[in-house]
Amino acid sequence: AQTVTQSQPEMSVQEAETVTLSCTYDTSENNYYLFWYKQPPSRQMILVIRQEAYKQQNATENRFSVNFQKAAKSFSLKISDSQLGDTAMYFCAFMTEGAQKLVFGQGTRLTINP
Amino acid sequence: DTEVTQTPKHLVMGMTNKKSLKCEQHMGHRAMYWYKQKAKKPPELMFVYSYEKLSINESVPSRFSPECPNSSLLNLHLHALQPEDSALYLCASKQLYGTVNYGYTFGSGTRLTVV
Repeated sequence: AQTVTQSQPEMSVQEAETVTLSCTYDTSENNYYLFWYKQPPSRQMILVIRQEAYKQQNATENRFSVNFQKAAKSFSLKISDSQLGDTAMYFCAFMTEGAQKLVFGQGTRLTINP
Repeated sequence: DTEVTQTPKHLVMGMTNKKSLKCEQHMGHRAMYWYKQKAKKPPELMFVYSYEKLSINESVPSRFSPECPNSSLLNLHLHALQPEDSALYLCASKQLYGTVNYGYTFGSGTRLTVV
């Protein structure tokens, strides 16, 4: 069974700082996808960034980038120049190729302080 | 239209009531999902519909009854719920065709309180 582990239940940084959220996963599959979702107090789960396992290049989306280490089964999220609007719960998630189920980590509550 | 719309946003119901949650998307996604989320926890999968057919039921109690009348609409019928069923109910959809997996698109949820 696939599992996703987020070892940091809570993090807090000052506005404009860079913060890295950790995620590790366990799978015996070779083809899969990894995602980071953001859930602000407004409740909606918003896709931040995605990574295909067969791509070696790390995904980037503006201030958000990932460090994907396939051999280590690690998928960390880096947020640069953090903003107050980045305050949210962040979930790392995993999906096998062709699967219908998204497997979530337990989440990291990130607070950006002014 | 790139949204999943859920109604109502908030619902308070008694344990003897019958109510329904509604989810709608017009992105042509052929997989639709119901998730239950408790505070500070990740979403827990309840049901999956693929091409309007129920493909996964995660051993959900029968007081929750899903329905997928067409490719754009997903309902969750609620009856005789318990206070512990109070939670945020999230709907999501996903494209099933093509070679690229873009993940789920989520709605903003229905906050359900059972009294």
